[in-house]
Amino acid sequence: DSGVTQTPKHLITATGQRVTLRCSPRSGDLSVYWYQQSLDQGLQFLIQYYNGEERAKGNILERFSAQQFPDLHSELNLSSLELGDSALYFCASSVGLAYGYTFGSGTRLTVV
Amino acid sequence: GIQVEQSPPDLILQEGANSTLRCNFSDSVNNLQWFHQNPWGQLINLFYIPSGTKQNGRLSATTVATERYSLLYISSSQTTDSGVYFCAVGSSNTGKLIFGQGTTLQVKP
Repeated sequence: DSGVTQTPKHLITATGQRVTLRCSPRSGDLSVYWYQQSLDQGLQFLIQYYNGEERAKGNILERFSAQQFPDLHSELNLSSLELGDSALYFCASSVGLAYGYTFGSGTRLTVV
Repeated sequence: GIQVEQSPPDLILQEGANSTLRCNFSDSVNNLQWFHQNPWGQLINLFYIPSGTKQNGRLSATTVATERYSLLYISSSQTTDSGVYFCAVGSSNTGKLIFGQGTTLQVKP
């Protein structure tokens, strides 16, 4: 157990639907990162939160949004899902900026 | 943005062999990490090494920041070392990382 908890582990949903992925960072970590891993694109940075505030944004689609709550857990919302959104979604946390990451075990999303 | 290139893309070893994986990056960085993704998909942090040399058991890593490369050494490889090794770099004040495409390692018994 890495200390970063992601739920659910697997999710199968239909095109057009909306899902929410949840991440609880390691105790004491203030920074949360979301990454998408697909076969053709590799590991792509989506968005980062630091102590409740959005800190950096990658090539995140407008259909995707995220937030970090006061207890520091984070949620990634994916809406109007398409087949191409099928991927592994990872959350990572770190103590601060430019520190080592700890990854969660990921959520495997399948859109059918 | 920063480009990250890893080599070789694929590597097959016999158990007990040594190997060196390379990561080249195109710009100055303040963050460099090596990860191992095991066959079950878990991403494990091996090293946080923006510069210098570190060792952890059979693994060691060296980053020469001025020449924009990092090396990961695996000695006496074991079948459990199989998986994909990623190098990831960052250069901003955010902690965001750019990942390379990875080196897929297969260790045969």
